[in-house]
Amino acid sequence: GAVVSQHPSRVICKSGTSVKIECRSLDFQATTMFWYRQFPKKSLMLMATSNEGSKATYEQGVEKDKFLINHASLTLSTLTVTSAHPEDSSFYICSARDVRGQGNEQFFGPGTRLTVL
Amino acid sequence: GQQVMQIPQYQHVQEGEDFTTYCNSSTTLSNIQWYKQRPGGHPVFLIQLVKSGEVKKQKRLTFQFGEAKKNSSLHITATQTTDVGTYFCAGPDTNAGKSTFGDGTTLTVKP
Repeated sequence: GAVVSQHPSRVICKSGTSVKIECRSLDFQATTMFWYRQFPKKSLMLMATSNEGSKATYEQGVEKDKFLINHASLTLSTLTVTSAHPEDSSFYICSARDVRGQGNEQFFGPGTRLTVL
Repeated sequence: GQQVMQIPQYQHVQEGEDFTTYCNSSTTLSNIQWYKQRPGGHPVFLIQLVKSGEVKKQKRLTFQFGEAKKNSSLHITATQTTDVGTYFCAGPDTNAGKSTFGDGTTLTVKP
């Protein structure tokens, strides 16, 4: 149980294009999903908290208009990197918290490797 | 804001040796989680500790939560090559809605 999927797993795009990444909880419902960015050999940097049915909460320094988050249902959150630039190249990971869970454990998706040329 | 620090950053051991990573938070935590990320993989939840002074074991792994609930440790007895990876601790901040991750400790095991 507690499986989270991400799509696509890898994307290469030209500078200036927008890229959408999907995060799905496959066997549980998640009112809250988190989007992280991880640089090589670095820790996970929380970008935003995605709340089902409401606006996402962004961390300080993260551009809301750059990284659009939509949490349309209890099993799906999307992150759109708008007008991507090479500096946006990174590993993006989502996680979800089971609504039935008692604790704060998060279940992570496999990540999306974004490369902007 | 809340800061979560882990030491050491890197640890190289010979297979069979023990390994310990330490996690320290600048604020008191309601609970703490540990994750393992294999090279090229994504973080995988290992365990959550909630009570002050709590100790939990998973086979060769021993997790401890400090009495003040500001620090934690993960100890691996007799490491194996399958233990390689980066171990992260994470704890929720005061609003308990999100977790701050430590920088991780990367373990390499020489056969």
